[in-house]
Amino acid sequence: NAGVTQTPKFQVLKTGQSMTLQCAQDMNHNSMYWYRQDPGMGLRLIYYSASEGTTDKGEVPNGYNVSRLNKREFSLRLESAAPSQTSVYFCASSEGASGASSYNEQFFGPGTRLTVL
Amino acid sequence: GDSVTQMEGPVTLSEEAFLTINCTYTATGYPSLFWYVQYPGEGLQLLLKATKADDKGSNKGFEATYRKETTSFHLEKGSVQVSDSAVYFCALGISGTYKYIFGTGTRLKVLA
Repeated sequence: NAGVTQTPKFQVLKTGQSMTLQCAQDMNHNSMYWYRQDPGMGLRLIYYSASEGTTDKGEVPNGYNVSRLNKREFSLRLESAAPSQTSVYFCASSEGASGASSYNEQFFGPGTRLTVL
Repeated sequence: GDSVTQMEGPVTLSEEAFLTINCTYTATGYPSLFWYVQYPGEGLQLLLKATKADDKGSNKGFEATYRKETTSFHLEKGSVQVSDSAVYFCALGISGTYKYIFGTGTRLKVLA
């Protein structure tokens, strides 16, 4: 039982390059999330997927796209990377039972440290 | 809108000292409240939670009580250890949604 896995662990991009961050969970959770963590800002929600087949914007979605490929996988794409996207990115999942999802803890992956030059 | 405010760090304590990290929130409805801990180089992991007013969450010697009257969820531990050195995040789950809001985190450093 690996929990939430993320790839890659580290990535360096040049401005304008594109890349996809991969996330997978093996806990049969319904909901999945992408956050970015910046010093002094805590975690900010980029996108989330309440259930398979749905995605919604979070607090800071600009410059990102997501795909909920199936129940297990939720990817985050940067189409044209900018230095402002230098951050640590965390994927998380939760059981997400309808109506009671906010009571459920989130399980986090180990993070991807992205630097955009 | 909904928000979480927690005390700024870093907090530096000697081993066996008493710890309090303050957390207050603003929310409509009836949120659930969480404390997460992040050790260096790792993702966040749940430390404790409370889902309704007056609930006390506890784990590994840490405690926090959901205080609706003061909209607070302060984290306490009676005797900290060096291994407790980490960043602690207060968070709330927005009722009726799938969203969570995290505070900015408080770094704790415990000295032997």
